[in-house]
Amino acid sequence: DAGVTQSPTHLIKTRGQQVTLRCSPKSGHDTVSWYQQALGQGPQFIFQYYEEEERQRGNFPDRFSGHQFPNYSSELNVNALLLGDSALYLCASSMDRGRETQYFGPGTRLLVL
Amino acid sequence: GNSVTQMEGPVTLSEEAFLTINCTYTATGYPSLFWYVQYPGEGLQLLLKATKADDKGSNKGFEATYRKETTSFHLEKGSVQVSDSAVYFCALINFNKFYFGSGTKLNVKP
Repeated sequence: DAGVTQSPTHLIKTRGQQVTLRCSPKSGHDTVSWYQQALGQGPQFIFQYYEEEERQRGNFPDRFSGHQFPNYSSELNVNALLLGDSALYLCASSMDRGRETQYFGPGTRLLVL
Repeated sequence: GNSVTQMEGPVTLSEEAFLTINCTYTATGYPSLFWYVQYPGEGLQLLLKATKADDKGSNKGFEATYRKETTSFHLEKGSVQVSDSAVYFCALINFNKFYFGSGTKLNVKP
């Protein structure tokens, strides 16, 4: 049984560009959450998707948006990239809207130059 | 609001030493509490969890007890190994949102 997978593993972009990150949840999971982890910090909650809708959102600007597909996979989109968006982006999947244990993917490391 | 505060690292111990990593939280309602571990170059892995007051989570020799009266969830292990070297994150979930502490790096020397 594959766990949570994310692609790509690494990405380099320049300021102002747009980026799309992808996540496939663990089999049987219907909820996907996204986190931003800056170097040396704990993950910060971006948003959560359940039943193809954004259900919860953290303190991130509208430049951060997402989508969940019928197969429960998800995308995170970031527009107008800033240098400060450089971080490890983690996807976590769970059942029952996150009330159950979340399982994390290995992350996508984004560098904005 | 909701937040998690954990002791700053790094924590450096010799093999077989006793480990405590302190974690306190602020939350409304009745959060569930977690410890996650992140090994070098890897994603976060659930270490243990507790869903209500006085519950004790345990796994791989690690333990933590949900203390509502002191709003704490301290991580302990009786005898650490070199392989326990990692970053440990305390976290809570409340109303379907996760909140993480800033992490505590543990270095265990042989």
